[in-house]
Amino acid sequence: TAGITQAPTSQILAAGRSMTLRCTQDMRHNAMYWYRQDLGLGLRLIHYSNTAGTTGKGEVPDGYSVSRANTDDFPLTLASAVPSQTSVYFCASSAGLNQPQHFGDGTRLSIL
Amino acid sequence: EDKVVQSPLSLVVHEGDTVTLNCSYEVTNFRSLLWYKQEKKAPTFLFMLTSSGIEKKSGRLSSILDKKELFSILNITATQTGDSAIYLCAVEEGNKLVFGAGTILRVKS
Repeated sequence: TAGITQAPTSQILAAGRSMTLRCTQDMRHNAMYWYRQDLGLGLRLIHYSNTAGTTGKGEVPDGYSVSRANTDDFPLTLASAVPSQTSVYFCASSAGLNQPQHFGDGTRLSIL
Repeated sequence: EDKVVQSPLSLVVHEGDTVTLNCSYEVTNFRSLLWYKQEKKAPTFLFMLTSSGIEKKSGRLSSILDKKELFSILNITATQTGDSAIYLCAVEEGNKLVFGAGTILRVKS
């Protein structure tokens, strides 16, 4: 079973470059989320989408953008990467309110 | 500001021990509290709690929520080395999850 697929698994990126992290789910979940996980800070919400065509800002949205053209895909774009965006990025989805979120395996991103 | 605080930050136990992990929270629009286990990659869902005083159980793991005192505990009995992981507590506030920093559990054989 696929569930949530994230790509790439890891990436090293030069500061100032742009990068899109891909996330695809096959569970037909309405809601999707992007988090970053940093040591000592847990998971912090970057952006979310309650349904296709809508997006919203989370706790740490600056420097990131998202789009939700269809139910399955929720890409996260860094327009001009900075070293503080070095982190592990997780995509998640849920069927809706009061339903648990399910996570992908993450993308480890290093900005040099 | 909404916050979720987990304790302890880390602990080391021996196989067979029982552990209790704590999670306290302050959020404006509480919907539910969730526990996740994270080993090498993706956090995996353990429990979702919405009502006070009702224990949820899965094998050696159990959890309970106290909405009056604003906390939850996760118990693991007869720990095994495979229980070594980061345990994450998250509170559903509105339509978003607010996570604690996690508890790192290491079970020694």
